[in-house]
Amino acid sequence: EVQLVQSRAEVKKPGESLKISCKGSGYSFTTYWIAWVRQMPGKGLEWMGIIYPGDSDTRYSPSFQGQVTISADKSISTAYLQWSSLKASDTAIYYCARHEVVGATQSHLDHWGQGTLVTVSS
Amino acid sequence: EIVLTQSPGTLSLSPGERATLSCRASQSVSIPYLAWYQQKPGQAPRLLIYATSTRATGVPDRFSGSDSGTDFIFTISRLEPEDFAVYYCQQYDSSPPTFGQGTKVEIK
Repeated sequence: EVQLVQSRAEVKKPGESLKISCKGSGYSFTTYWIAWVRQMPGKGLEWMGIIYPGDSDTRYSPSFQGQVTISADKSISTAYLQWSSLKASDTAIYYCARHEVVGATQSHLDHWGQGTLVTVSS
Repeated sequence: EIVLTQSPGTLSLSPGERATLSCRASQSVSIPYLAWYQQKPGQAPRLLIYATSTRATGVPDRFSGSDSGTDFIFTISRLEPEDFAVYYCQQYDSSPPTFGQGTKVEIK
């Protein structure tokens, strides 16, 4: 069974750093792109970027380029999303999700993590 | 980037009724690159339809998708109580992939 299990909720202060995780299991982690999607409180879904764990090739939405860093450690089947200096506007639920099509940069998202709530408040 | 506009914003219907949702793109989106997701409160989105009209594994056949030429259409033929949720379209034809703003299907 394909599963993406994300790290627990976080409460941080503005200016702090953070790295959240997404661990894949039940499939070949290195051959499917993983996407990160943001959902701000009461709002819709926003595509942030993707990573190919096999070689860590990464693509970002222009809206998120330079604001976050996406990485992966294929040895432990885990993808990461990190911030170096959080802002209150980063408060949101962050989902990881898998591309269904093997190796494809263009794909729908067939399996989703449960989401990680990040709260940034002074 | 491609902007997807979903309509209506909210659809108030009763169980057993038919729901028809629309998704219009600001630029051309090829048929293989349009998906629909369902999201219930407190849950992650769930893939229902991809490539405009292909149901994902395990999705009941009351859910369907089509293309009208100008809009992408998502239909629930007969609403079940568990279908009341928010539905999002997504294009992945052009980078960055984008989502519509969502249509909430609520109980009338």
